[in-house]
Amino acid sequence: DVKVTQSSRYLVKRTGEKVFLECVQDMDHENMFWYRQDPGLGLRLIYFSYDVKMKEKGDIPEGYSVSREKKERFSLILESASTNQTSMYLCASSLVGQGADTQYFGPGTRLTVL
Amino acid sequence: AQSVTQPDIHITVSEGASLELRCNYSYGATPYLFWYVQSPGQGLQLLLKYFSGDTLVQGIKGFEAEFKRSQSSFNLRKPSVHWSDAAEYFCAVGVGGGGADGLTFGKGTHLIIQP
Repeated sequence: DVKVTQSSRYLVKRTGEKVFLECVQDMDHENMFWYRQDPGLGLRLIYFSYDVKMKEKGDIPEGYSVSREKKERFSLILESASTNQTSMYLCASSLVGQGADTQYFGPGTRLTVL
Repeated sequence: AQSVTQPDIHITVSEGASLELRCNYSYGATPYLFWYVQSPGQGLQLLLKYFSGDTLVQGIKGFEAEFKRSQSSFNLRKPSVHWSDAAEYFCAVGVGGGGADGLTFGKGTHLIIQP
């Protein structure tokens, strides 16, 4: 089974702090993604990556950056956390193939910014 | 830009009754369509997906979905629901080849099962 793990299930930070959310997948997937999930808004794509050291902006990249130094690890960085970044953050990975690529999701990190 | 609409925020169904969750999409090219389920406190799990071929797609847990290009719809169905089906359901369209550029999700439908 594909496993996507996220470093924390719950995280509480203060406004202005630099925050790192880590995601690791164990199936040698090329593509990795970061989404945030908010009630009534569904999931929205923040950033994604096709390969090591590659990154692409999603629909809501403002206030975030990412890092992918190893194929299995994709980090989301909040340079200066703000209260409007309080949310559930979900990481996903997928294998490039033919047809519709299944994305496998981690359990999520619920971040609260005070 | 692509978009997904799930018109029903909440749906309540009696255990054993049939279920249909609606999904409409807007996308200029051939759509790659997905249904995911999120149980309380859990991550998202893929129920089924469509990208070509037979427009009636079978998934896990007894779910199926039908792609109707003329209606831009991809509705999810189950003939008889179980209490364990209570969850949040998300329809999504894949952007780029197969979804390699990410998924655009609907806002979700919260399914409540009455005993």
